[in-house]
Order: sequence, then C-alpha cells, then structure tokens
Amino acid sequence: KQEVTQIPAALSVPEGENLVLNCSFTDSAIYNLQWFRQDPGKGLTSLLLIQSSQREQTSGRLNASLDKSSGRSTLYIAASQPGDSATYLCAVSGNQFYFGTGTSLTVIP
Amino acid sequence: GAVVSQHPSWVICKSGTSVKIECRSLDFQATTMFWYRQFPKQSLMLMATSNEGSKATYEQGVEKDKFLINHASLTLSTLTVTSAHPEDSSFYICSARDRSGGGAYNEQFFGPGTRLTVL
Repeated sequence: KQEVTQIPAALSVPEGENLVLNCSFTDSAIYNLQWFRQDPGKGLTSLLLIQSSQREQTSGRLNASLDKSSGRSTLYIAASQPGDSATYLCAVSGNQFYFGTGTSLTVIP
Repeated sequence: GAVVSQHPSWVICKSGTSVKIECRSLDFQATTMFWYRQFPKQSLMLMATSNEGSKATYEQGVEKDKFLINHASLTLSTLTVTSAHPEDSSFYICSARDRSGGGAYNEQFFGPGTRLTVL
C-alpha cells in the first residue's frame, strides 16, 4: 500500500524566507503528484500538479519538483508571506489518491 | 472549469439522526467520485469510491451500512451518515474525476467540504 510522508510536520519561518517542504512516497507507480493548500476549517486548494512524466511545475512563487524513481517531491516557496500560512498537503495518484500527513506552515510577520 | 460543490457546507444534528451530504460536479460529468473524511489535525482518509450506476467500494474499516453512498447520475453523489453519533463528527470532502479526461490523467477535483457536528 502506498504511504506518503511529509517532513517537517510543522514549520515556522520569518516573512521573506525561502522554504522547502518535503514529500516522500513508497510506491513509484504513480500517475501524478499534487500539492494542496488547506486553510483551517476549509477545503483543499490545488496548487500544483506534476504528471509522472514531468520533473517540475511552477506557479508564481511556488515550484514543485518530482523525482519519481526516488519517491520524492519538494515544494519550494520563495519569499514567504504571512498569507502563505496554512497546511500543505501532497497527494499521489495511483489506483487511488493517497494523501500525505501535511506540513503546517506559519510565516511570522 | 472543473468545479465541484458540496451541500451543505456545515451541519449540526442530534445523535441518532441521519444526515445527507451532496457532492455535485458543476461543469463536467464524473463517472467516479470519492468521499474522504478528515479529523482535526489529521490528513484526509479515503472512505469510499462511488461509481455511477453501481455500488460504492468502501475502504477497510468503513461501515457501508452506516455511510450510505448513492451515485445516481454523472453529476451527483450523496453520502448519508445514518444514525449519526458524536464520533462521526468530522470534515467530509468529496472529489470527482472528469469522465471526458479533462485535466491530467487521474486528476481529481475536490469539493469545499462539509463540516458535520453531531451533538
């Protein structure tokens, strides 16, 4: 069974810092990997989707990479802002969707 | 495009009552919809896979008689929590896969979630 792990579980950084969130998965047979943002008590906002044939995707200050062979993905956030504070979830799509444990990010003004 | 809605967005009910949650794909047809549950400070856990016109497939540990799923059309799936108890209080999120293949392969589009509180 696919297992998805995210490190760190929580992260607190001062505003303006660049940061990296990590996601690892045990089964490399995936169709795609997706990063989501979840604000407290809210649903999921899709940030980036990387198809299995791709290495990375970029959107604004966000860059996500995928190394399928090693079972790893990173989400890079440049010049963090207080509005980036949220929980970030990665999910891999195989026969079904498997979610990671999440990283709770706090950006301190 | 690819919008999924859920109704209601939140519901409070008494213990022992049944609650129905609707999941709709607004601008695409979905042969497959998924129901997830999320407890506080935990990640999403898949409860069941709902296929249009057939019985849902439940994940291990999910009681199919308690969580009734109906996928009567290509744009609507419902989850009914029967005889709800306080331990069923959770955040329920649905997702849908575009039948036409819109989006990346196997991509799922998520609804905004329904907060259920059972008193």
